[in-house]
Amino acid sequence: AQSVTQPDIHITVSEGASLELRCNYSYGATPYLFWYVQSPGQGLQLLLKYFSGDTLVQGIKGFEAEFKRSQSSFNLRKPSVHWSDAAEYFCAVGGNQGGKLIFGQGTELSVKP
Amino acid sequence: GAVVSQHPSWVICKSGTSVKIECRSLDFQATTMFWYRQFPKQSLMLMATSNEGSKATYEQGVEKDKFLINHASLTLSTLTVTSAHPEDSSFYICSVAGSNYGYTFGSGTRLTVV
Repeated sequence: AQSVTQPDIHITVSEGASLELRCNYSYGATPYLFWYVQSPGQGLQLLLKYFSGDTLVQGIKGFEAEFKRSQSSFNLRKPSVHWSDAAEYFCAVGGNQGGKLIFGQGTELSVKP
Repeated sequence: GAVVSQHPSWVICKSGTSVKIECRSLDFQATTMFWYRQFPKQSLMLMATSNEGSKATYEQGVEKDKFLINHASLTLSTLTVTSAHPEDSSFYICSVAGSNYGYTFGSGTRLTVV
């Protein structure tokens, strides 16, 4: 079955500290992977995506993610978190251009001063 | 990616009435759009895939007669919640499948049924 797991429901980090949000997927074919961020009451904004090439992907706002096929993971990282990064983060997987996405449960990030 | 406009941002309606939510792709001819539902503190649940000029494909468990989807043009898909009840209160989000594996999301519609 196709699925995405984000093991951490809620993470709190100090401002300036590094961040890693975990994402594991189960997908029968070559996965196309995405990270989105959502502020309360808003839609989703794409942080980055991977569908081929270099397994280390750079995104907006200083985020990056690494695709590890052997571990079925696509973890999101940021070296130094800002208070404005507090939001809900979703990992998603798709299998073809224009096909539907499967979302993880989301990880809520809180940033403490 | 595409620029997506979703309207209204929020709506309150009486139980038993119908509500229409619009999703517009402003700069991209969207053959495929998606409709999601999101409960507080939860993930996005795909309701249906909307295909221009054809019937929508609904996910298992979604009542197609209750959630009517129309995708009559390449720039507009609508979701109509018919005979709304309080349990239909939720956050509804549309998404446009763009080029280069790009998916752009609308800003969402908060529906409250009283």
